[in-house]
Amino acid sequence: SQQGEEDPQALSIQEGENATMNCSYKTSINNLQWYRQNSGRGLVHLILIRSNEREKHSGRLRVTLDTSKKSSSLLITASRAADTASYFCATDAYSGAGSYQLTFGKGTKLSVIP
Amino acid sequence: GAVVSQHPSWVICKSGTSVKIECRSLDFQATTMFWYRQFPKQSLMLMATSNEGSKATYEQGVEKDKFLINHASLTLSTLTVTSAHPEDSSFYICSARTGTASYEQYFGPGTRLTVT
Repeated sequence: SQQGEEDPQALSIQEGENATMNCSYKTSINNLQWYRQNSGRGLVHLILIRSNEREKHSGRLRVTLDTSKKSSSLLITASRAADTASYFCATDAYSGAGSYQLTFGKGTKLSVIP
Repeated sequence: GAVVSQHPSWVICKSGTSVKIECRSLDFQATTMFWYRQFPKQSLMLMATSNEGSKATYEQGVEKDKFLINHASLTLSTLTVTSAHPEDSSFYICSARTGTASYEQYFGPGTRLTVT
């Protein structure tokens, strides 16, 4: 299975601190994406990093990708209570059925305490 | 950006009945659509992939006779949960790509199914 593994499974921090979540995967990928999901809601796409990129920034988000270690990290700087959510990494790879598909990791549940 | 809608957003049905969930790409043509299932406090699990006009490809362990997928047009895919049981209660999320090699995959808001 391509499913990624995130760690930690749960993370609790104080508002203003940085939050780092890690993701590891098993096979070659086309790109890796991070999503946020508030409880009971749909997914929000945060950032996509291609397999030939090593780092990408978007606002308070910083994503790194190390294809040699098959791992990625998501850093949220200066966290806010509104960042409380579950965060998932998803690897994009050729499915062998004629298309690419996203496979999701198990997620990290982030709680930011005001 | 591209928008994917799902209908209904939530549904409650009785055990043994069938439920149909619609997924539409509103402003783009979706050559490939995906259906995911998410149990409470768990991740999204891919159920099946469908290309317009062809049969869906189901992931291992997903019963194709129970979860009927029809990708009838480039903007519409439906998932029918047949003879639903309480264990089918879950959050179902559809997703769409504009092309087989496209990086962009757009997600619907999800449908919460509760089977009583």
